[in-house]
Amino acid sequence: AIQLTQSPSSLSASVGDRITITCRASQGIGNALAWYQLKPGLTPKLLIYDASSLQSGVPSRFRGSGSGTDFTLTITSLQPEDFVSYYCQQFNSFPLTFGGGTKVEI
Amino acid sequence: EVQLVESGGDLVQPGGSLRLSCRTSGFTFGDYGLTWVRQAPGTGLEWVGFTRSHLYGGTSEYAASVEGRFTVSRDDSRGIAYLQMNSLKTEDRGVYYCGRGRTYGGVKYWFDYWGQGTLVTVSS
Repeated sequence: AIQLTQSPSSLSASVGDRITITCRASQGIGNALAWYQLKPGLTPKLLIYDASSLQSGVPSRFRGSGSGTDFTLTITSLQPEDFVSYYCQQFNSFPLTFGGGTKVEI
Repeated sequence: EVQLVESGGDLVQPGGSLRLSCRTSGFTFGDYGLTWVRQAPGTGLEWVGFTRSHLYGGTSEYAASVEGRFTVSRDDSRGIAYLQMNSLKTEDRGVYYCGRGRTYGGVKYWFDYWGQGTLVTVSS
């Protein structure tokens, strides 16, 4: 199975900050990577697919990049509602796998 | 409006069984793949299983941790997916989410809409 190593596992930031979360795959996956946001008690939300394609309705401050084994999610200007958890997921092959998650805290 | 609503979560003893449902609306369910993902308390997301649409054979995939114990099925006429969970273990506890699959050609899938989750507790 392809392993995804996500870092950092948590980070502290302030409103307006620019942050970057990384996701490294144990083998090349092309651009078959998605990023999700998970708020406690709410439904998971797709942010990015195909490594860099912004899901419809998602604010443009969310940006994905990378290919092969190294990927990043950047939030260019943190908003109060962004202080939640984020997960990468590879869909290059089954079994599908998620990164360990990143909790963004104030 | 696309909606997915999970139900069926409950307290069950180790070794027991449970069937979760994912009721969908707002789209032609039969044309989409459907996945199940779970989150145990204090941990991250773990992929559980997936069913392809009839367009791509209607076959299923499973995580190694549930292979042989869990079965994903679907009723396209009713827009419902199921997760049958047998021989439950304490480590199967958590919130179970269903998600709608998107694909370009039936090979690679990401998930664009999700339900709110249903809680499964496995304890004696």
